[in-house]
Amino acid sequence: GQQLNQSPQSMFIQEGEDVSMNCTSSSIFNTWLWYKQDPGEGPVLLIALYKAGELTSNGRLTAQFGITRKDSFLNISASIPSDVGIYFCAGTDQTGANNLFFGTGTRLTVIP
Amino acid sequence: EAEVAQSPRYKITEKSQAVAFWCDPISGHATLYWYRQILGQGLELLVQFQDESVVDDSQLPKDRFSAERLKGVDSTLKIQPAELGDSAMYLCASSRGVRGDTEAFFGQGTRLTVV
Repeated sequence: GQQLNQSPQSMFIQEGEDVSMNCTSSSIFNTWLWYKQDPGEGPVLLIALYKAGELTSNGRLTAQFGITRKDSFLNISASIPSDVGIYFCAGTDQTGANNLFFGTGTRLTVIP
Repeated sequence: EAEVAQSPRYKITEKSQAVAFWCDPISGHATLYWYRQILGQGLELLVQFQDESVVDDSQLPKDRFSAERLKGVDSTLKIQPAELGDSAMYLCASSRGVRGDTEAFFGQGTRLTVV
């Protein structure tokens, strides 16, 4: 299946710092989704993007759908301890089959 | 707020036994996904349904795993016989599955431990 390259694999940051992570695909995507997963829980949808160039915010989170439609990034501003978790990008390609492909995840640790 | 329901939340079973997981998607969601997540790793798609039809089960180990969504609503994933390597979190997700609305929402998952 489609492989999404997500980076970085892990991040250790100080509380209050900004964070940026990104995801790239080998083919054009129609949708980019960003999720956060806490230990032992299912992923929670943070932001959904549907148009190339679209920039969407959800509180301190901002995500963008890349112009080439093959990439997306997620920024977290002024990180707080509860931002700790694993962030996954996901997307659907152009086949129309609603196949949902996931990145390998970015593990975020926030140091108080 | 509508959510995806999964049960059981936790399951411990002995190897070679049968085990089943249940998922009730958000009402009106035509697309249903089952993922497996081994501890500390990413999500592996096992099977995808569009209504009652299987769209993708290419990664489902069909010698021991089966999945059904008979009425196009809730779904059951079964493992028989369970093996030690099946220990993982099994996650169900659903979406409307139409262009412009492919946001998928996950349940809390079933944590399976095979002993």
